[in-house]
Amino acid sequence: EPEVTQTPSHQVTQMGQEVILRCVPISNHLYFYWYRQILGQKVEFLVSFYNNEISEKSEIFDDQFSVERPDGSNFTLKIRSTKLEDSAMYFCASSDGTTWGELFFGEGSRLTVL
Amino acid sequence: DQQVKQNSPSLSVQEGRISILNCDYTNSMFDYFLWYKKYPAEGPTFLISISSIKDKNEDGRFTVFLNKSAKHLSLHIVPSQPGDSAVYFCAAIADSVNRDDKIIFGKGTRLHILP
Repeated sequence: EPEVTQTPSHQVTQMGQEVILRCVPISNHLYFYWYRQILGQKVEFLVSFYNNEISEKSEIFDDQFSVERPDGSNFTLKIRSTKLEDSAMYFCASSDGTTWGELFFGEGSRLTVL
Repeated sequence: DQQVKQNSPSLSVQEGRISILNCDYTNSMFDYFLWYKKYPAEGPTFLISISSIKDKNEDGRFTVFLNKSAKHLSLHIVPSQPGDSAVYFCAAIADSVNRDDKIIFGKGTRLHILP
C-alpha cells in the first residue's frame, strides 16, 4: 500500500540552526500539507501546497518557514532559524483530493530544539 | 482558541461494548467534519467524515452523528475491539465548498479497549 514517508524520524538541533524536514508524498497525490503537534497539544495546520505553490498557510507559518517541492517527488519543510518552541512532531500529509479531508499522513519527524 | 474541543482526554471501554467519543465545536462556519485515529509512532489515519448537510454517516462499525444546533458530533464504535485502542482526533473544515485546505483538529481522546 502506498504511503507517505518522512525523514529524519528524529532530529536534534541547536537553537538558531536551520532544519530541513523531508517528505515523499504518495506519487499520484496533488495536495501536500505540513502539520505539527507539540507534545500533549493538538495537531496544528501549518501549510498546504498545490500546483507548485502555497495554497494556504497558518499564522504559525511565518517567515522562518518555507516549503518546496524541488524535484516532483520530495516535499520539504525548512525552518530557517529554529526556536525552542519549534520543538514538535512534524507531520507531512498528501491527498488526491477525491475525498475531501482525507489526508494520508506520514509517521512524523520529531524535532527537538535545544 | 480551541475551535474543536474534545473534553475527554481518555476513555476506557470494555471489549464488545459501544465506544462513544464526543466533540464540540464553536465555529459555525465549519461545514465538514472528520475523525482521525492515531496509533503511537504513526501519523493520523482518516477514519470517517460527515458533511453538515447530513446528521449521520455510517461505515462498518463506525458511525458519526452530527447535531448542528448543538455544535456537537460524536463517533460511535460498535462493537469495540482491542485494535481500536488509539487516540481519536475530531477535526473540522470551514468552507469545504471552496476547498479550504485548513483542517482544524481537536486535542484528541485516548481510547483504551479493555479485554
